[in-house]
Amino acid sequence: AQKITQTQPGMFVQEKEAVTLDCTYDTSDQSYGLFWYKQPSSGEMIFLIYQGSYDEQNATEGRYSLNFQKARKSANLVISASQLGDSAMYFCAMRTLTGANSKLTFGKGITLSVRP
Amino acid sequence: KAGVTQTPRYLIKTRGQQVTLSCSPISGHRSVSWYQQTPGQGLQFLFEYFSETQRNKGNFPGRFSGRQFSNSRSEMNVSTLELGDSALYLCASTLGVTGANVLTFGAGSRLTVL
Repeated sequence: AQKITQTQPGMFVQEKEAVTLDCTYDTSDQSYGLFWYKQPSSGEMIFLIYQGSYDEQNATEGRYSLNFQKARKSANLVISASQLGDSAMYFCAMRTLTGANSKLTFGKGITLSVRP
Repeated sequence: KAGVTQTPRYLIKTRGQQVTLSCSPISGHRSVSWYQQTPGQGLQFLFEYFSETQRNKGNFPGRFSGRQFSNSRSEMNVSTLELGDSALYLCASTLGVTGANVLTFGAGSRLTVL
C-alpha cells in the first residue's frame, strides 16, 4: 500500500519569498512517481511537477522544484519567488510505475496563503 | 487543445435520488479516472477506465458505478444518494496507464445531497 503524509498546518509566505511544502511517502514499490498538484478555490487540480523514483536529479519546472530525498522518503515542493496567485491548496501524490495502473494516492494537502 | 470537461459543474439532489456525472477527456487520452474529494476524507480514488474496460476500482460501495464509451468519454453514476455523498467529484484523463503519464484533471462536479 502507498501512503502520502502532509502534516504542515496552513502555511503563510510573503510575496516574492520562497516556501517549502513538505511531503513524506511510504511505499514498497521500487519504481514509483511523485507528483505535486495545486488546487485553487475553483476546484481544478493543476499539475505542477513530477519526480520519478529513479531520476537522479531533482525535478524543476519554472518556479517549482522538488527536493527529492529517496532515503528519507521525502519529496518536498519548493516554490521560489511566491506570487499572490500561488495561494491555493497543494497536494502531494504518488503512483506506482509498475504494471498498468494510473491510480494516484494523495496526501491531505496543505493550504498556502501568500501575503502581499 | 481542450482540457478535461466535466458536466454538470454544480448540482443539488435529495437523498435517495441518483445522479450521473459526465467527463470528456483530452482528445487522444484513453484513460479516465474518477476521484471523490471531501473535507473529511480528502481525495479518494473511485475507479479507472481504459479502452472501455474498468481496470481498477477503489473502496466504494456498489452504489458507485461508471462506464467508458468508445470515444473515451466516461460517466459515473451514484444511486440511492446519501448525505455523505456530497463531494467534489473530479475526473482525470491520461494517455495511458503505464509509465509516468501525468493525470490532467477537470474542474470537477460539485454534488450537494440534501
